[in-house]
Formats: sequence, structure tokens, C-alpha cells
Amino acid sequence: EVHLVESGGGLVKPGGSLRLSCAASGFTFTTAWMSWVRQAPGKGLEWVGRIKSKSDGGTTDHAAPVKGRFTISRDDSKNTLYLQMNSLKTEDTAVYYCTLYEQTYYFEYWGQGIRVTVSS
Amino acid sequence: QSALTQPPSASGSPGQSVAISCTGTSSDVGGYNYVSWYQQHPGKAPKLLIYDVSKRPSGVPDRFSGSKSGNTASLTVSGLQAEDEADYYCCSYAGTKEVFGGGTKLTVL
Repeated sequence: EVHLVESGGGLVKPGGSLRLSCAASGFTFTTAWMSWVRQAPGKGLEWVGRIKSKSDGGTTDHAAPVKGRFTISRDDSKNTLYLQMNSLKTEDTAVYYCTLYEQTYYFEYWGQGIRVTVSS
Repeated sequence: QSALTQPPSASGSPGQSVAISCTGTSSDVGGYNYVSWYQQHPGKAPKLLIYDVSKRPSGVPDRFSGSKSGNTASLTVSGLQAEDEADYYCCSYAGTKEVFGGGTKLTVL
């Protein structure tokens, strides 16, 4: 059974940094593509970015609102996905979901989500 | 403003069918057969309902079906049940990014 468990969320001041982690199990992480999706309070879903498997190049794509501030990475030895968030803005306040992202571009499994609040 | 346009709300009585539209452009919905749909109950993580426009993952009832014509995709829920009351989101591959619709709140009357 696939399990995705996010951690590392919390309250941070504008301009601050936070690193989210996603511990994965129940599938072959090394060959998986992964993605982050967020949802601001009372709002819809927003794609944050994705990372391919190392065997497929390990490349990343990030959404325009976070490009240059957020970085997605992975540690295949730990079956863990990361989201490094720098220069945080109040509009980054959201629940962040880790997802198993299939190669025909859909989010097959979702974690339970982790809340990030950016506020002074 | 979301990249894909969905109606904010839809409704139907138990047993009825309801269709939710998702309109994009030739750069997303119209350009690829990679539209997916997600169901989200309050306080829960989204769940995959449909992928590749019309394919259903195992475990998703065949009451849920997807289609696409031009730049508009649709999700149809047949034989509405009380537990179908939720938010529904479409998503499309758009080259180097994914784009979501703004979501549709489905009410079962």
C-alpha cells in the first residue's frame, strides 16, 4: 500500500525558510516521479512542481509563482522527497500535498497534507 | 485566477446524472490527452477519479466517467449518491507545467 507522509510544516515569518519532507513507502521510489501540490485556505488546488526519477534525468519543473524561491529535490537512499521553500510570502500559506506523479501526468496518490502558515 | 475554467457549483438529486465542464485552451486541455479529475471531501486529501481523459483507476466506481471535446473536458457522475457530495477539480498537462481548474462544489439535493 502506498504511503506518503509529509512533515516539516509550521508557522514562519515572511522572508523566512522552511523545508518540507515527504517519506514514501509502498512503491519503488527510485523510479517514481513525484510532485508537490498546494491548497491555500478555502481555495483550489495549485501545482507547485515536479521531479522526475534519476533514471529519467532527475529534472525538475517549478510553477511560476515559486520559481527561484522553492526547490524540489529527492534522496532515493531515504525514499524521501523534499521541498525547500525560501523567501516565503504570506501568499504561500497553504496545505502542501506530496503526490506520486505518474508519467502520463496525473497525481495517483496523495499524502495527508501539511500546513504551512506564513505570517508575522 | 485558475488556468482552467470550471463552474463553481453543480447539483443534482440522488439517482440523477450531472456533468461538470472544464475549459482550457489548445495549450493544455486541447493539446494533450492528459486530463485528470480529482474528488476532495472537506478536510481530506484529493483522490484521483479519472486520468488520461477517460480512464478510471481500480476502485473508482463506473458511475464516474470522463470525456473531452476540443478545449473542454467533462466529468459525468451518473446515479448520484449522497457520498458524491464533494469538490471536484480538473487538471491538465500543459507542457512544462500542470494546470488545475478552480474546482466545482457538487451538491446532492
